Amino acid sequence: EPEVTQTPSHQVTQMGQEVILRCVPISNHLYFYWYRQILGQKVEFLVSFYNNEISEKSEIFDDQFSVERPDGSNFTLKIRSTKLEDSAMYFCASRDGTGGNSPLHFGNGTRLTVT
Amino acid sequence: RKEVEQDPGPFNVPEGATVAFNCTYSNSASQSFFWYRQDCRKEPKLLMSVYSSGNEDGRFTAQLNRASQYISLLIRDSKLSDSATYLCVVKLGGQNFVFGPGTRLSVLP
Repeated sequence: EPEVTQTPSHQVTQMGQEVILRCVPISNHLYFYWYRQILGQKVEFLVSFYNNEISEKSEIFDDQFSVERPDGSNFTLKIRSTKLEDSAMYFCASRDGTGGNSPLHFGNGTRLTVT
Repeated sequence: RKEVEQDPGPFNVPEGATVAFNCTYSNSASQSFFWYRQDCRKEPKLLMSVYSSGNEDGRFTAQLNRASQYISLLIRDSKLSDSATYLCVVKLGGQNFVFGPGTRLSVLP
């Protein structure tokens, strides 16, 4: 069964540094997402991406965040200047978009630790 | 009012028990509904979509009541492997899928 893959599985960085989290969505999927989950809290929406542009973003997704699909397979999340409160699990997801009810398929996440 | 609310849990049940989870959502324009399960420190995994007429997948039954803005998940004959956090997920009118806080289930031997 096709999978969403994310790298790295764990990233440790110092406050103020830039990080790039990488994702390879399922190949025939059209919609791509980033979610985050702070330890012990709920899964929170960051951004959705369709047709090479952001379709929706949350209040969390401020100017420090950006997304890119640099080629036909990768989908990246960049955090320009990390803060301690950015420490969380970051999940990439994709869906095929056929009909309005196609579900999200998640990668296994990148644990980001900001020290 | 929060967009998606769930039973606070945790639920501790013996093997073989039937357990029901409840979820309510605030946006009446919500279009699609799902149940996911999440194991500790793992990604959410789709358990089942929820259809208007209700649907069943083996030991799992999901119900949707649009008038009451309420979704439920019933697990029959619970197994040890059912221990996880169950997430109610609602897709709004755009592309945003909103997650509830989850209800943790522990099935005890």
